[in-house]
Amino acid sequence: ETGVTQTPRHLVMGMTNKKSLKCEQHLGHNAMYWYKQSAKKPLELMFVYNFKEQTENNSVPSRFSPECPNSSHLFLHLHTLQPEDSALYLCASSQRSVASGGADTQYFGPGTRLTVL
Amino acid sequence: AQSVTQLGSHVSVSEGALVLLRCNYSSSVPPYLFWYVQYPNQGLQLLLKYTTGATLVKGINGFEAEFKKSETSFHLTKPSAHMSDAAEYFCAVSDRGGSQGNLIFGKGTKLSVKP
Repeated sequence: ETGVTQTPRHLVMGMTNKKSLKCEQHLGHNAMYWYKQSAKKPLELMFVYNFKEQTENNSVPSRFSPECPNSSHLFLHLHTLQPEDSALYLCASSQRSVASGGADTQYFGPGTRLTVL
Repeated sequence: AQSVTQLGSHVSVSEGALVLLRCNYSSSVPPYLFWYVQYPNQGLQLLLKYTTGATLVKGINGFEAEFKKSETSFHLTKPSAHMSDAAEYFCAVSDRGGSQGNLIFGKGTKLSVKP
């Protein structure tokens, strides 16, 4: 495997289910991200992990719970979701450093298409 | 707060015609600037980025973009469109300094290429 992989690619769940999305990066990066992509809205940054520490939580509802056990893996645990949570969830990774100062390139996975019934 | 505006949610061009996708940012301090492309059922892929130096940046697949500070713009161009360029294009910015690197995206422009 190369780059950033995400599983599953498609997920349909009921509002009372619990499921998890998985992301794995094979690039040796130290930062990982979750984004939500909804129709007609800009990509929304949800969470950022830098060296396995969460550094950003953009007011995401608690029904979304991230987990970063190591710098290569990132999970998004889902429970009691709402239909409006249906979207494409994208994972990305990058190599952050003080030297790059915000110019690091993010590499994206193909996404998980989530449908909440 | 930093924001990105992409003029036109849909742009349609004929094959071989010039492609121009517009992007304006709001910051008074020039940020880092990025263009990403998303093909159907795929994630985003970096086309090009501007950090420092030459204001005309060349990217993959024949695309280029020019940073114009006076116009707070970073428009994406390609001289001759190809059918394979049909995709959605996203402009993004990242604030300078420190190790933040959080991207703020525009709403995207869907490019259609007619034969």
